[in-house]
Amino acid sequence: GIQVEQSPPDLILQEGANSTLRCNFSDSVNNLQWFHQNPWGQLINLFYIPSGTKQNGRLSATTVATERYSLLYISSSQTTDSGVYFCAVERDNTGKLIFGQGTTLQVKP
Amino acid sequence: NAGVTQTPKFQVLKTGQSMTLQCAQDMNHEYMSWYRQDPGMGLRLIHYSVGAGITDQGEVPNGYNVSRSTTEDFPLRLLSAAPSQTSVYFCASSFRGQPNTEAFFGQGTRLTVV
Repeated sequence: GIQVEQSPPDLILQEGANSTLRCNFSDSVNNLQWFHQNPWGQLINLFYIPSGTKQNGRLSATTVATERYSLLYISSSQTTDSGVYFCAVERDNTGKLIFGQGTTLQVKP
Repeated sequence: NAGVTQTPKFQVLKTGQSMTLQCAQDMNHEYMSWYRQDPGMGLRLIHYSVGAGITDQGEVPNGYNVSRSTTEDFPLRLLSAAPSQTSVYFCASSFRGQPNTEAFFGQGTRLTVV
């Protein structure tokens, strides 16, 4: 089956720093989403981005489907950005998502 | 508009007990699915449904049953709870399209089996 790999596994930043999270996938996909799991365990949709670039405030994401990777950019990080960031892909039209292992981000004040 | 609602939020079971985790969505989504999340891991698919009356197994289906009698509801049944089923369970739904739209998740059910 398709493999989804995220890097780095852990990241520690000072408040105000920028970061880039990466998601590689081993086969073509028709859906890719980025989620933020906050310290209370809630999964929050960040981006639905099967291809192209999107921006939402301090966050932006780019997916290059032909090269099988996606990047999540966080600029001017804040302590509230802490948590785990997941990339998930869908191969077929069934709504099934395959998740990466996540990147755990800690932003220090 | 409540989105995806899971109940209960927390549950403690004894080994061998059975229970049902409830999931309901009010967005008229065709696709619904159940995932489990274990410490330090991503989410893994248990069962999924592409519409009322249609279900199929995911990556880790053993010990769980599902049914989809309505578009809105997708309950997950633990037949005989085992400590290995201690986990956080998430339900998700999405709209079928070309391509499909983003998935929305419930707040999770934290299950402990003792």
